[in-house]
Amino acid sequence: EVQLVESGGGLVQPGGSLRLSCAASGFIFSSYWMSWVRQAPGKGLEWVANIKQDGSDKYYVDSVKGRFTISRDNAKNSLYLQMNSLRAEDTAVYYCARLTTMITWYFDLWGRGTLVTVSS
Amino acid sequence: QSVLTQPPSASGTPGQRVTISCSGSSSNIGSNTVNWYQQLPGTAPKLLIYNNNQRPSGVPDRFSGSKSGTSASLAISGLQSEDEADYYCAAWDDRLNGHVFGTGTKVTVL
Repeated sequence: EVQLVESGGGLVQPGGSLRLSCAASGFIFSSYWMSWVRQAPGKGLEWVANIKQDGSDKYYVDSVKGRFTISRDNAKNSLYLQMNSLRAEDTAVYYCARLTTMITWYFDLWGRGTLVTVSS
Repeated sequence: QSVLTQPPSASGTPGQRVTISCSGSSSNIGSNTVNWYQQLPGTAPKLLIYNNNQRPSGVPDRFSGSKSGTSASLAISGLQSEDEADYYCAAWDDRLNGHVFGTGTKVTVL
């Protein structure tokens, strides 16, 4: 079955760190760009980061630059998001998404998400 | 902050046609393709329309997309109760060098 499964969310204090993981299965993980997208409680979707197939190119939304790092391990079919210096406004459900880049860019496969709560 | 603007809500009775607008700028919709996502209550988003007007396999042809200039729209024909969801437009933004989503539209079937 083609799927993405996130893990690693939880409660963390402001200023703390957390590492999210996303396990991919059912498709050739190393052939795709991958992304993280988040959704604050009751709010809309916000793109967070992209990573190229071989990890050589990465993009971030301005609000997380210097604090978050996206990475991947193609041998383990896994995507990661290292989140440091967390703030209350980072509280959200974090979705792992597959990014297809044929002609245009679009997120064609999504995980169920993992909730990150930043609070003291 | 969302760069693409959508109406917060839209509604219709079963069988009606509902249209959702998405307004952007020259750096996003004006120069890149638009995609639409459907988020049913309590679930993850799902790709509904890509490349302005293409439907992935399995998406009913009741859903259609279009783009003109710096705006795009999603139409739902023959509205059904299972179409109650939040809908988001999205595009790549050349100025921000990232993906941008719309503010989202909640569709209610009356």
